[in-house]
Amino acid sequence: SAVISQKPSRDICQRGTSLTIQCQVDSQVTMMFWYRQQPGQSLTLIATANQGSEATYESGFVIDKFPISRPNLTFSTLTVSNMSPEDSSIYLCSVRTRQGLVEQYFGPGTRLTVT
Amino acid sequence: AQTVTQSQPEMSVQEAETVTLSCTYDTSESDYYLFWYKQPPSRQMILVIRQEAYKQQNATENRFSVNFQKAAKSFSLKISDSQLGDAAMYFCAYRTPSGGSEKLVFGKGTKLTVNP
Repeated sequence: SAVISQKPSRDICQRGTSLTIQCQVDSQVTMMFWYRQQPGQSLTLIATANQGSEATYESGFVIDKFPISRPNLTFSTLTVSNMSPEDSSIYLCSVRTRQGLVEQYFGPGTRLTVT
Repeated sequence: AQTVTQSQPEMSVQEAETVTLSCTYDTSESDYYLFWYKQPPSRQMILVIRQEAYKQQNATENRFSVNFQKAAKSFSLKISDSQLGDAAMYFCAYRTPSGGSEKLVFGKGTKLTVNP
C-alpha cells in the first residue's frame, strides 16, 4: 500500500467561497481518484485525476464545480468551488498504486462544513 | 448500472463471537472484483479483503473471510473472534475489471458494534 496524506483534515467555510484540498502520496502511483461521502452516506466517485490532462468526471459532477489537478504521479488537488451547505461532506482521495493491482487505498479524508 | 446493497444498517456482536455482514450486488458482467472496506470513527477507509469473481475459492485474511456466491450475487463478510477494534462502518464495494472504469461502487454500509 501507500501512505496518503490530505490537507486540510477539516475546514469550516462560508457559502460562496472555494476550498482546495491536497492529496499527497509517498510514492508514484498509476491512478488517483476523488470521492465524496455526504453525511451518513456511502462514497461516490467524483472523478479520476489524470496526470497532465483533464480529469474524467462521473455523471453529476462537473469541472466548473470540482476542478481537479494532477501535475505529477504523487500529487493531486480537488477544489470545491462556490460552496453551498449541500457541499458539506467528507472528501477522500484514493489511489491505485501500480499496474496489475486492483485495490484502491484511501487517504484520511477532509471533512468540509459549509455554513 | 451496477448496484450494491447492504441490507443491515446496523449489527452488533459480543467480543470473541462471530458475526456475518451481508452484501448483494447487481451486475451483468461476468468478471469483476468485490471488496470489503472498514471505516472506523477516524474515517480512514481501510481495505479488509478482496475477491476476484473468476476465483471459486473464498478469500480469507486472518479473522476475516468471505462467502462469495456468484450465481446468487452475494458477498458476505464473516468476522471471527470479534475484537473491540473491529467496531466500525463496513462497506461492500464492486469494481469492474481492468480496461473499464475503475470506479468503486459502494453499498450504504453496515455499522458494527462490538460489545465487551
